[in-house]
Amino acid sequence: EVQLVESGGGLVQPGGSLRLSCAASGFTLSTHWMAWVRQAPGKGLEWVANIKQDGSEKTHVDSVRGRFTISRDNPKNSVYLQMNSLRVEDTAVYYCANDGGYGRADYWGQGTLVTVSS
Amino acid sequence: QSVLTQPPSVSGAPGQRVTISCTGSSSSIGAGYVVHWYQQLPGIAPKLLIYANTNRPSGVPDRFSGSKSGTSASLAITGLQAEDEADYYCQSYDSSLSVYVFGTGTKVTVL
Repeated sequence: EVQLVESGGGLVQPGGSLRLSCAASGFTLSTHWMAWVRQAPGKGLEWVANIKQDGSEKTHVDSVRGRFTISRDNPKNSVYLQMNSLRVEDTAVYYCANDGGYGRADYWGQGTLVTVSS
Repeated sequence: QSVLTQPPSVSGAPGQRVTISCTGSSSSIGAGYVVHWYQQLPGIAPKLLIYANTNRPSGVPDRFSGSKSGTSASLAITGLQAEDEADYYCQSYDSSLSVYVFGTGTKVTVL
């Protein structure tokens, strides 16, 4: 059974940093593009970033570019999202998902809540 | 940053058919990029419902179907059931933004 488990969320002050992790099991992460998707409270879904199998290609949505960085460690079957210079509007549940091609997210984690507030 | 527009809500009685539209542009759906659809029950991660415009993953009932034409796509639910009450999102790629985008989301209510 495929499982993606996110961790690292929490309460942080504006301007602070957090590193989210996504651990995969029952799933060979190294064969998939991976992605982070977020959902602000009561709002819709937003694609945040994705990363190619070998880490050689990455894309980030405009709203986080220069502040967030997606990375991966295939031997550890894990994907990460380093979030710096956090803003109140980054408050959301952050989901880890695979990118099975053309953004197709077959598998999702349970999400981790990031709250940016003073 | 939603560039895919969906109706905020649709509703129907049990057994009825409802459709959800997803309107994009010439840089997204109209450019030929595929559309995926997700179902999200309250407090739970989204679930893939339709991929590449018309395809159902294993385990998704054939009551759900997808279509695409021009700059729009649609999700149809036939034989509406109480368990279908959820939020639904379309997704595609936008070449002007160089990123995948989701629709604004539609809440389906079973009357």
